[in-house]
Amino acid sequence: DTGVSQDPRHKITKRGQNVTFRCDPISEHNRLYWYRQTLGQGPEFLTYFQNEAQLEKSRLLSNRFSAERPKGSFSTLEIQRTEQGDSAMYLCASSRRDTIKAFFGQGTRLTVV
Amino acid sequence: KQEVTQIPAALSVPEGENLVLNCSFTDSAIYNLQWFRQDPGKGLTSLLLIQSSQREQTSGRLNASLDKSSGRSTLYIAASQPGDSATYLCAVPGAGSYQLTFGKGTKLSVIP
Repeated sequence: DTGVSQDPRHKITKRGQNVTFRCDPISEHNRLYWYRQTLGQGPEFLTYFQNEAQLEKSRLLSNRFSAERPKGSFSTLEIQRTEQGDSAMYLCASSRRDTIKAFFGQGTRLTVV
Repeated sequence: KQEVTQIPAALSVPEGENLVLNCSFTDSAIYNLQWFRQDPGKGLTSLLLIQSSQREQTSGRLNASLDKSSGRSTLYIAASQPGDSATYLCAVPGAGSYQLTFGKGTKLSVIP
């Protein structure tokens, strides 16, 4: 059990650029979640996958955001035309089918300048 | 819409003290509640998961209780240590959903 891995850990980008983050869940976990956390706030749900199917999406996930999990293993979260308001920590989590207990990665901190 | 509130927002205690963190939620139709720990700039570590059928869950010096009818949970930390300094978050799932709604957390500082 190597834990949930996220890459990169930090990303600084200029406003208007596209960015992509990767999440590798714990190997036997078929559920994968993305959350966003801003300073002083709790994480906010973005989207959820069961295997390769994206089953839930938050209204926070504007049309500039897209997430994929093509083979039911790793996932990517892409933000197009980044805005300063996108600056946040992006957290990935995974869980087994039979439990809601979620294991979180270390997050990707995005700074849009 | 589920709302989760954590009180206090910050807490500073001397080492060795016992302490209680509070979490309240507006929709009592939950089937579990989780407590997490978050160190600065890091991800979340799951501490305890309480199912709705349970009233308490214990792990080492941590004890979490759940009272669904009143919409409250508490996290009790015994004999606090400086290494316990972190932000503690509680979270509940939505009805028929796997998404978690989090509180803003309680930032705990344990002074040596």
